[in-house]
Amino acid sequence: AQSVTQLDSQVPVFEEAPVELRCNYSSSVSVYLFWYVQYPNQGLQLLLKYLSGSTLVESINGFEAEFNKSQTSFHLRKPSVHISDTAEYFCAVLPQGGSEKLVFGKGTKLTVNP
Amino acid sequence: GAVVSQHPSWVICKSGTSVKIECRSLDFQATTMFWYRQFPKQSLMLMATSNEGSKATYEQGVEKDKFLINHASLTLSTLTVTSAHPEDSSFYICSAMLRSGTDTQYFGPGTRLTVL
Repeated sequence: AQSVTQLDSQVPVFEEAPVELRCNYSSSVSVYLFWYVQYPNQGLQLLLKYLSGSTLVESINGFEAEFNKSQTSFHLRKPSVHISDTAEYFCAVLPQGGSEKLVFGKGTKLTVNP
Repeated sequence: GAVVSQHPSWVICKSGTSVKIECRSLDFQATTMFWYRQFPKQSLMLMATSNEGSKATYEQGVEKDKFLINHASLTLSTLTVTSAHPEDSSFYICSAMLRSGTDTQYFGPGTRLTVL
């Protein structure tokens, strides 16, 4: 079985400050890793994913995440956040070659203040 | 590409009535769709996996007779909440995979159900 831990339920930051949203997982098999973003009253949007290859993956809006196998982590970072980045962020894992079920963390509410 | 829609986006119904929620993949065929439930300020809880042309697979603790899922075509899955009660009020989100065995699920915008 897999589990995902998002260590911070809420992260308040000021605009243009850097931010890191932490995600750790546990799994007995290899996994794919995802970050999804959810704006208020909306569904989830895929932000970025790690499948294989380079451990650093980037999104089109400036977020990046690095897969660290030894620490079983996939932390999400952005060097300078905007007000519009305020949202809920979910980390998720998908076991490779088996179940198609995503396992989600509990989410981190990022609030960017002016 | 890979757009998933849901209808309705918001529904209010009386206790005891049934509500149908549609999930459509607009620009691709989805052999597998998923239905999630999200409580306020919580993560998504997988309710069931829906495969086109076959019966849905429900997660433990989800009543299949209460939450009827039909995946009649490669672009449409429906969730019917039967005899709804106030405790069924929630945000229901569907997702679809481009094809089985691939890695990415594309999510619909969600349906907020309020049962009075």
